[in-house]
Amino acid sequence: NAGVTQTPKFQVLKTGQSMTLQCAQDMNHEYMSWYRQDPGMGLRLIHYSVGAGITDQGEVPNGYNVSRSTTEDFPLRLLSAAPSQTSVYFCASRPDRGENTEAFFGQGTRLTVV
Amino acid sequence: GENVEQHPSTLSVQEGDSAVIKCTYSDSASNYFPWYKQELGKGPQLIIDIRSNVGEKKDQRIAVTLNKTAKHFSLHITETQPEDSAVYFCAARYNFNKFYFGSGTKLNVKP
Repeated sequence: NAGVTQTPKFQVLKTGQSMTLQCAQDMNHEYMSWYRQDPGMGLRLIHYSVGAGITDQGEVPNGYNVSRSTTEDFPLRLLSAAPSQTSVYFCASRPDRGENTEAFFGQGTRLTVV
Repeated sequence: GENVEQHPSTLSVQEGDSAVIKCTYSDSASNYFPWYKQELGKGPQLIIDIRSNVGEKKDQRIAVTLNKTAKHFSLHITETQPEDSAVYFCAARYNFNKFYFGSGTKLNVKP
C-alpha cells in the first residue's frame, strides 16, 4: 500500500517559472489537501478538496491553483513562482468528512525559488 | 478562522522523564484536536487525537488532555525514550475541512 505519494521530492525554480507538484493516493480517500510548512509556523492549509470536481481555498491560497479531476490525484500548480513560495509542501488525504478521520501525509516536496 | 498557539518551541528531557507540550486555541467551534509527530525528512504522523466531548485520552505512554472552558489541550509523554525525539505538532479542526496547526515543538530526549 503506497499511501500518499508526492513528486518531486526536491525542486529548484527560478522566479517566474511555473510547475506542478504532484500528489496521488491509492486509498480511495475523498478528502485531499495541500499544506506548506515554514520554519516556526507549523503547517498552513493552501487548498483542499472534498471529492472529485470540488475544491476550496484554505488559509494561504494566493499564488496556487488546484484541480481534482479524479479521486486519486490532487496536483498543486504554481503559475509564477516567487521566492516567498520557498517552503516544504505536504499533501494529505483522509477517507471522508467524518469527525475523527486520520490524515495521511505524504513525504513532502522541498521547493526553493531563487 | 482559528489560531493555535503551541509551547514550548523546544524541549529537552532526560530519557525516562516526562514531557508536556501545551496548545491553546481561539475558536470554541473547534471540536477535534489531533497531535502529530514529524521525524526528520518525513511527513507528519498522527499519534493521538481527542474530541471536544472528551476530557482525556491515553494510549500507552502518550496521553492528551483537553480543557474546553480554557480552550487548551496538552500532550503528555511518559517514560520518554530517544526514539521519541522529533517535532510534535498540535492541531485544531475548525469545521470539517480545515485544520489549523501549532508552530511545533522540537523534543530532544537525551540518553
